[in-house]
Amino acid sequence: AQSVTQPDIHITVSEGASLELRCNYSYGATPYLFWYVQSPGQGLQLLLKYFSGDTLVQGIKGFEAEFKRSQSSFNLRKPSVHWSDAAEYFCEVRSQGNLIFGKGTKLSVKP
Amino acid sequence: DSGVTQTPKHLITATGQRVTLRCSPRSGDLSVYWYQQSLDQGLQFLIHYYNGEERAKGNILERFSAQQFPDLHSELNLSSLELGDSALYFCASSRGGEGTDTQYFGPGTRLTVL
Repeated sequence: AQSVTQPDIHITVSEGASLELRCNYSYGATPYLFWYVQSPGQGLQLLLKYFSGDTLVQGIKGFEAEFKRSQSSFNLRKPSVHWSDAAEYFCEVRSQGNLIFGKGTKLSVKP
Repeated sequence: DSGVTQTPKHLITATGQRVTLRCSPRSGDLSVYWYQQSLDQGLQFLIHYYNGEERAKGNILERFSAQQFPDLHSELNLSSLELGDSALYFCASSRGGEGTDTQYFGPGTRLTVL
């Protein structure tokens, strides 16, 4: 069955530290991959997406993600976290009309 | 502000009742998607409409239905409500109907079933 896993429910990092949020998927073929951010009480906002080509994609707010086919992963990274990055992050996988989201990773930022 | 509007913001109702949630897409967008977000199930895709036609179905219960009107706004109807239907319901819109299209999410409707 198709699935998306975000193994970390909650991560806390210090402001200025680097960040990596994990996303693993189980699909038959390479799907379309997305990362979103959700601030409390708001809808989701797209950070970046990957369809094909260069496996390192740049997004908004200084985020990037790397697609690794061999590991079925699409991890989100940011070199230096800001307090305003505290939010919940969702990975989405789309293939053949199916849209599946991970359970989300809540990011807290320590001053 | 994504440009997608949803009404109402909050809805409180009783079990067994029926409610209608409304979504207006961004100007020029032809697709509307509906999602349910709850603590136990996470974010679940319900249904996708493109230019008035149903394009894809996800985990939508038979008690739920949706439609997209000629002016492209969409409504999600939830009937015979149960306590477990309490959730945040989002709609999103996109320009086209392809899997590569960026979706813009509305602020959501919070439904509480008592």
